[in-house]
Amino acid sequence: QKEVEQDPGPLSVPEGAIVSLNCTYSNSAFQYFMWYRQYSRKGPELLMYTYSSGNKEDGRFTAQVDKSSKYISLFIRDSQPSDSATYLCAMSFSNAGNNRKLIWGLGTSLAVNP
Amino acid sequence: KAGVTQTPRYLIKTRGQQVTLSCSPISGHRSVSWYQQTPGQGLQFLFEYFSETQRNKGNFPGRFSGRQFSNSRSEMNVSTLELGDSALYLCASSRTSPGNTEAFFGQGTRLTVV
Repeated sequence: QKEVEQDPGPLSVPEGAIVSLNCTYSNSAFQYFMWYRQYSRKGPELLMYTYSSGNKEDGRFTAQVDKSSKYISLFIRDSQPSDSATYLCAMSFSNAGNNRKLIWGLGTSLAVNP
Repeated sequence: KAGVTQTPRYLIKTRGQQVTLSCSPISGHRSVSWYQQTPGQGLQFLFEYFSETQRNKGNFPGRFSGRQFSNSRSEMNVSTLELGDSALYLCASSRTSPGNTEAFFGQGTRLTVV
């Protein structure tokens, strides 16, 4: 079993839809959770960063962490064609000081159709 | 400020050859991580260098090696290339570690082995 599971999709939605992207993980020691967005032919870029449980909102994006279920989500409201990309979740432990390796999901490919 | 620069952007090599890829991190960043990205396997961690020392290593064979120079620039080398090494190779730089502070990715080097 992989440490981080993410459905690769592809996911196709109409413009304006609410998108839900999810990752599950097996190691309860993960404390830092990130979502990266990767456009075609580009490197990933950090979208959201959360610590421990709870929600974090940034414009149309909301990240949720449910540590009891070992489940994280990224919601995109009012999705736009420019949101079409691959979304990768990543997480790390908290017990390594400044040495924190990232564990990655496979990425979910999202297409928002105009 | 300048982003992460990877060179070359594209490479075609034949089986059995070796290749060296270069990564120049953001100024002031001391951590450089290398990843292999393929459609089926996603982002797979190769190794991380911090202040010229390899700090973390993924599960790749010894044909994959790297180093970091005193100016934080990093190189990775793949010897005795195999067809399965065809992939996008990404490097990411962070101020301290990718799980601790934001990781900034380069655009990658697309390696094709024929």
